[in-house]
Amino acid sequence: DQQVKQNSPSLSVQEGRISILNCDYTNSMFDYFLWYKKYPAEGPTFLISISSIKDKNEDGRFTVFLNKSAKHLSLHIVPSQPGDSAVYFCAASTRGSNYKLTFGKGTLLTVNP
Amino acid sequence: DAGVIQSPRHEVTEMGQEVTLRCKPISGHNSLFWYRQTMMRGLELLIYFNNNVPIDDSGMPEDRFSAKMPNASFSTLKIQPSEPRDSAVYFCASTRQPATEAFFGQGTRLTVV
Repeated sequence: DQQVKQNSPSLSVQEGRISILNCDYTNSMFDYFLWYKKYPAEGPTFLISISSIKDKNEDGRFTVFLNKSAKHLSLHIVPSQPGDSAVYFCAASTRGSNYKLTFGKGTLLTVNP
Repeated sequence: DAGVIQSPRHEVTEMGQEVTLRCKPISGHNSLFWYRQTMMRGLELLIYFNNNVPIDDSGMPEDRFSAKMPNASFSTLKIQPSEPRDSAVYFCASTRQPATEAFFGQGTRLTVV
């Protein structure tokens, strides 16, 4: 049973345009959400997070939106740059067991020059 | 800081052999995690240590897998005997609780032939 789903295995966008990566979850107990970025042959690196008390969090070119009623979150990258090309993982955790991150399978983003 | 250090980066072994993966967490971090990444299942948490004590090992696939953390700066994940289905990338991560954003090592790519 996959509690965090990233239904698009890959996404390709042009440099300068917006990249939108989507993530759905099924566990209503999740209250903290994170995005990680992973380059080949490297470990995932933390990108941005959002608590369930918010619906938006912004950090530079990266914005995460949370729609609790739809159990959906998205990561927007504007403008996209070739260096953003990587696999992006969505992750979620619950209060009380905040160490236990449940990850999606990832979306490979390719930003074309 | 050097970050989370894992060794070896690559390991190729024959079925039935013992494999030991090593991890040095970031100094000062009190939580350590072992994850496994496969194409089929994505990133899965295997075991979580807090202050060197195993808190949650529910993700350990079977008795062939064991993990230890003898001190705050070192952990091992052992597979004995190894099987081809254990082939995956194994990541170690650490954090300073109560933070949730874990810092990952570069991973060990294990191939069991």
